Amino acid sequence: ETGVTQSPTHLIKTRGQQVTLRCSSQSGHNTVSWYQQALGQGPQFIFQYYREEENGRGNFPPRFSGLQFPNYSSELNVNALELDDSALYLCATAWGGGSYEQYFGPGTRLTVT
Amino acid sequence: AQSVTQLGSHVSVSEGALVLLRCNYSSSVPPYLFWYVQYPNQGLQLLLKYTTGATLVKGINGFEAEFKKSETSFHLTKPSAHMSDAAEYFCAVSDVNFNKFYFGSGTKLNVKP
Repeated sequence: ETGVTQSPTHLIKTRGQQVTLRCSSQSGHNTVSWYQQALGQGPQFIFQYYREEENGRGNFPPRFSGLQFPNYSSELNVNALELDDSALYLCATAWGGGSYEQYFGPGTRLTVT
Repeated sequence: AQSVTQLGSHVSVSEGALVLLRCNYSSSVPPYLFWYVQYPNQGLQLLLKYTTGATLVKGINGFEAEFKKSETSFHLTKPSAHMSDAAEYFCAVSDVNFNKFYFGSGTKLNVKP
């Protein structure tokens, strides 16, 4: 157990809709990264937040956005869902803005139909 | 740009045999390198990392990896496979600030009795 929780576990949405995924860490980690893992692929880095500011971003369009709250919980928002957005979304938390010691949650499985 | 290539999407070994999972990276600057393991329906767990110092690094569960700059490789090995090692393994590289991580496509390890 990493102490990182994600909700919901599974989600089904229709193309064009919007979705919000949530992540929280019980350990007070102040850095959170989000990843997209398509079936049969490795995780793709979406972005990282440190102390409520975006701290790094991968090659994802602006319709992928995030928030980090003062209690360090986090949200990933995806607008205008596309079929290719179907994937496992993982969050990983860490202590400090530059730490390799990431703790991953179990993920949210998003299916877009 | 940084990237990671894992040779072999599936590797099968017998219990007690040597495990060798291959990883090559492409980086314009000295990389920080990682191996993660993912069990079914779980998040990723850090096995080991190379940041600086000794190029042979030891991780959990008897795994180790050697950073070879001349070969741009970071192969994962374990002298004797155990049934519980069956999982998917991901090699990853990060930038020096640990605010962007790039993962390979993964290698599924099957351990035969």
